Amino acid sequence: QQQVKQSPQSLIVQKGGISIINCAYENTAFDYFPWYQQFPGKGPALLIAIRPDVSEKKEGRFTISFNKSAKQFSLHIMDSQPGDSATYFCAARDAGGTSYGKLTFGQGTILTVHP
Amino acid sequence: ETGVTQSPTHLIKTRGQQVTLRCSSQSGHNTVSWYQQALGQGPQFIFQYYREEENGRGNFPPRFSGLQFPNYSSELNVNALELDDSALYLCASNRGGAYEQYFGPGTRLTVT
Repeated sequence: QQQVKQSPQSLIVQKGGISIINCAYENTAFDYFPWYQQFPGKGPALLIAIRPDVSEKKEGRFTISFNKSAKQFSLHIMDSQPGDSATYFCAARDAGGTSYGKLTFGQGTILTVHP
Repeated sequence: ETGVTQSPTHLIKTRGQQVTLRCSSQSGHNTVSWYQQALGQGPQFIFQYYREEENGRGNFPPRFSGLQFPNYSSELNVNALELDDSALYLCASNRGGAYEQYFGPGTRLTVT
């Protein structure tokens, strides 16, 4: 059962444009929602994260929007740069029972930013 | 770069063999989680160790086992390797109770 659904699978934007990646979840026991950036051959790097008591969090060019009632959250990358080209994963942390602390990941979005 | 290190970087094994992967957690982190990332997929949770005890397990068979040592470093052992075990194995660490998990660079395992 895929508990975190991510879209789109791939995304191409022009330099300076806005990149938007969406995720939806089902498990109401999730209590923390991070985004990770992964370059080829590297491990995922924590980019930005949000807790469900907040509707938006901004760090530099990266913003998370969170809609608790819809069980959806999204990553916005403003002024996208070629160096942002990578795979992005949304994730959700389980606060319940034997799965405490487990991160469930989306399928990933391959972002390509053209110069 | 996080302070999480993993070894080896790559290895190739034959079906049916056993493998041990190693992880050193970031300084001050007492919790280690292991994930399997198949090509083109998101990481999948294998298990988590906190203070040397397994603290949660994903949907992986018992031939996947682990250890955590007093210095909080950890091992992932996989017995009776199958072709489908070919993947990037990731280790992540965090302070107990903290939300943020920091990943190492991973070990690329190829089973032939």
